[in-house]
Amino acid sequence: DGGITQSPKYLFRKEGQNVTLSCEQNLNHDAMYWYRQDPGQGLRLIYYSQIVNDFQKGDIAEGYSVSREKKESFPLTVTSAQKNPTAFYLCASSMGRHGEQYFGPGTRLTVT
Amino acid sequence: GENVEQHPSTLSVQEGDSAVIKCTYSDSASNYFPWYKQELGKRPQLIIDIRSNVGEKKDQRIAVTLNKTAKHFSLHITETQPEDSAVYFCAAFDYKLSFGAGTTVTVRA
Repeated sequence: DGGITQSPKYLFRKEGQNVTLSCEQNLNHDAMYWYRQDPGQGLRLIYYSQIVNDFQKGDIAEGYSVSREKKESFPLTVTSAQKNPTAFYLCASSMGRHGEQYFGPGTRLTVT
Repeated sequence: GENVEQHPSTLSVQEGDSAVIKCTYSDSASNYFPWYKQELGKRPQLIIDIRSNVGEKKDQRIAVTLNKTAKHFSLHITETQPEDSAVYFCAAFDYKLSFGAGTTVTVRA
């Protein structure tokens, strides 16, 4: 649990602003993921990365961007193009694609 | 892509009784099926998982069964306790994890 961190815990932004969510892990995991969670729904995959300098779109990538310049870090930018950005964002990591995914504590983003 | 359906959406049980949550998946290539427990405002935590070469797995009061032919898998919690109250998610992995919508379990004291 404690090896993957997200900051901040709560984030408030005005419409039209881009915002970047941080995700860091010290588990030496190769793969990292970003999910979005809305009330009453399961987790939906935004982006994932299996190796440094490489990432793929998930099911709901529109309006989001990511980078993977370091193995430990996988920041997510929520752009102004995301129509409904208010949600709970969870980052996860795993040793390989087929491994158990460990989740960070999440960032609750509110855009008004 | 993979589609995971989870039932029921809410489940209320008396303390000490059993709880069963069922999930179906669509992609026969899926080969890994984890279950996560999420308490309010917290991160999901893996409680048990099963791979496609196994039909059943048990860990103390929690068990998971998998029927590959029917493409469904279930979570069984026996002797439920108040601390079992949470949202439970099933998931299936083909080339990525696809999650069910979740089951809110309430254990009544």
